[in-house]
Amino acid sequence: QKEVEQDPGPLSVPEGAIVSLNCTYSNSAFQYFMWYRQYSRKGPELLMYTYSSGNKEDGRFTAQVDKSSKYISLFIRDSQPSDSATYLCATLTGANNLFFGTGTRLTVIP
Amino acid sequence: GAGVSQSPSNKVTEKGKDVELRCDPISGHTALYWYRQSLGQGLEFLIYFQGNSAPDKSGLPSDRFSAERTGGSVSTLTIQRTQQEDSAVYLCASSWSPYEQYFGPGTRLTVT
Repeated sequence: QKEVEQDPGPLSVPEGAIVSLNCTYSNSAFQYFMWYRQYSRKGPELLMYTYSSGNKEDGRFTAQVDKSSKYISLFIRDSQPSDSATYLCATLTGANNLFFGTGTRLTVIP
Repeated sequence: GAGVSQSPSNKVTEKGKDVELRCDPISGHTALYWYRQSLGQGLEFLIYFQGNSAPDKSGLPSDRFSAERTGGSVSTLTIQRTQQEDSAVYLCASSWSPYEQYFGPGTRLTVT
C-alpha cells in the first residue's frame, strides 16, 4: 500500500464550479498534510498545508483533514480556467521528506 | 526574491554516459531535497540535506546516483552510467521548515 493514494482523474469542470480533490493516506502518525499545484512543465508550488485534523482556508481554497478516516481534501470554490493544473497532495514523514500522491489533473472549462 | 533554480532545464544524453544536475536553493534555506518525477508515477524522494548533518540518502534508487551539497548551498545530483529508466524530471526543493518546501522548475532528463 502506498503512503498516499490519489485519484489521478482527469477531472473537467465548468468555470465557477466547486472542485473537490481527495487523497487517502496509510500512516496514522502523519501530522502535516500539504497541497501543491503544478502547471505543465513547471515545478510544484505549495498552495497550503495543514497540521493534524481540521480545516484551513485561503481565499477560494480550503484544505480539510479527517484523521479518523485518513482522508485529506482540497476544495476550490468559484473555479477559474487559471486553476487548470495538476494538484498533488503530500504528507510529511518523520524523516522530513514528503510522500506525494500521483496528482489529479484538473481542467476548468471557460 | 529569487526562487530555486536548476540547470540545465533539459538534458539529453546517451545511455551509459554520466550526467550532473545542479540546484541553487533559496538563500538561507538550510534544507535541500531532490525528487524525481516520472510520467504517471508522481514525485519520488531521492535525497535530503539538512545543514551540516549527514544527508538522508534513503531514496536513492541505486549506487549510480549520488549527490553533494557544497558550502551548505549549491547541490549537484550525479547519475553515472545512465539508463533509459533514469529518464524523468529531476526536481530540487529547499526550505526552512520541512512542510514548506519550495521547488525549482526541474531538469528534464532524457536518456536515449
